[in-house]
Amino acid sequence: RKEVEQDPGPFNVPEGATVAFNCTYSNSASQSFFWYRQDCRKEPKLLMSVYSSGNEDGRFTAQLNRASQYISLLIRDSKLSDSATYLCVVNKNTPLVFGKGTRLSVIA
Amino acid sequence: NAGVMQNPRHLVRRRGQEARLRCSPMKGHSHVYWYRQLPEEGLKFMVYLQKENIIDESGMPKERFSAEFPKEGPSILRIQQVVRGDSAAYFCASTPESNQPQHFGDGTRLSIL
Repeated sequence: RKEVEQDPGPFNVPEGATVAFNCTYSNSASQSFFWYRQDCRKEPKLLMSVYSSGNEDGRFTAQLNRASQYISLLIRDSKLSDSATYLCVVNKNTPLVFGKGTRLSVIA
Repeated sequence: NAGVMQNPRHLVRRRGQEARLRCSPMKGHSHVYWYRQLPEEGLKFMVYLQKENIIDESGMPKERFSAEFPKEGPSILRIQQVVRGDSAAYFCASTPESNQPQHFGDGTRLSIL
């Protein structure tokens, strides 16, 4: 089983749509959780950390379920500029473990 | 406040040559991490260094690859006798302390002819 698994997509959604991505991780000792965003041929950029209580940043909401080892990201009112690959990332001690990413295309 | 700086952005080498990739962490950051991303793949951890010390090199191939982070100057990832399979994007990230969110440089795209 891969350490971090994501549906690769692509998710093709119209502007204004709500879209949700899911991610599962295998190491129950993982301590920190993040969503990163990566544009084509660019570096990953931190989108948000994910906390057990769930957290929101504008149009983005992240949830963590430690019992099920499951992380989600919800994007509301999608913009064209949200088109990117979204990387689910977990951390036990220090090296980050990346999922392969879920590709999102927001269409006008 | 400059971010993580990597150079060169693009590097082309012939098989058998050496490749040197440089990473200057953000100001105040003493923890550096190197990752490799193959085409259509996720990022894979290679090595974690903290000024002059290698903390974790579990992701780095045992042969041909080495990394250092000297007291003065950037961190260097060195690949000797490069092969076609080394072609990838190499990203560096840094943090002020361990277990903090990592901020990435623009990456070095290595192409082996």
